[in-house]
Amino acid sequence: GAVVSQHPSRVICKSGTSVKIECRSLDFQATTMFWYRQFPKQSLMLMATSNEGSKATYEQGVEKDKFLINHASLTLSTLTVTSAHPEDSSFYICSARRGGAAGANVLTFGAGSRLTVL
Amino acid sequence: GENVEQHPSTLSVQEGDSAVIKCTYSDSASNYFPWYKQELGKGPQLIIDIRSNVGEKKDQRIAVTLNKTAKHFSLHITETQPEDSAVYFCAAVQSGGSYIPTFGRGTSLIVHP
Repeated sequence: GAVVSQHPSRVICKSGTSVKIECRSLDFQATTMFWYRQFPKQSLMLMATSNEGSKATYEQGVEKDKFLINHASLTLSTLTVTSAHPEDSSFYICSARRGGAAGANVLTFGAGSRLTVL
Repeated sequence: GENVEQHPSTLSVQEGDSAVIKCTYSDSASNYFPWYKQELGKGPQLIIDIRSNVGEKKDQRIAVTLNKTAKHFSLHITETQPEDSAVYFCAAVQSGGSYIPTFGRGTSLIVHP
């Protein structure tokens, strides 16, 4: 089955530093990857859609200079939280979608990354 | 845009009972409806899905029903077990559109032993 690996699972950093989260599709090529943010006991909030080789499309209200997304290959997307502040503390989850019509609807999620900014 | 409503927000059942979670959607163009299970501190996992050309789908203790006319779909879990305890999210997707799912707000299912 499709597997998405997300790393790190937990990260603690000091305010003002930058943190990079990686999302890899291990056994399929992901033409599109999505990045979500989830607050406690709430639903998934889409932050941006990332297509391989092109700029990410950010949802309204999400700062593109704050949350840098790179999708350099068909198996890897990264989210960098720049100059992190305590309010950026959250659970970040990536998901990947296969290419082609057959797999276009199916999203596979990573295990999530818990970011704590001190 | 699409709007997905999910109820209830919390569902508490005894082991062995059935659990039903209901979702409604607003956009008739949505034609794919996945359900995800999210355990504490983990990412969501797809547990079952249904496409708009099907009215019902079953996988062991889990079933999903879809009523296109009424624009609602439901998740049914029979013979619940403590390991079914998790947050469940429904979603609606437009194939041929952006393919971006619209999620419900989630249902926290608690199965008491």
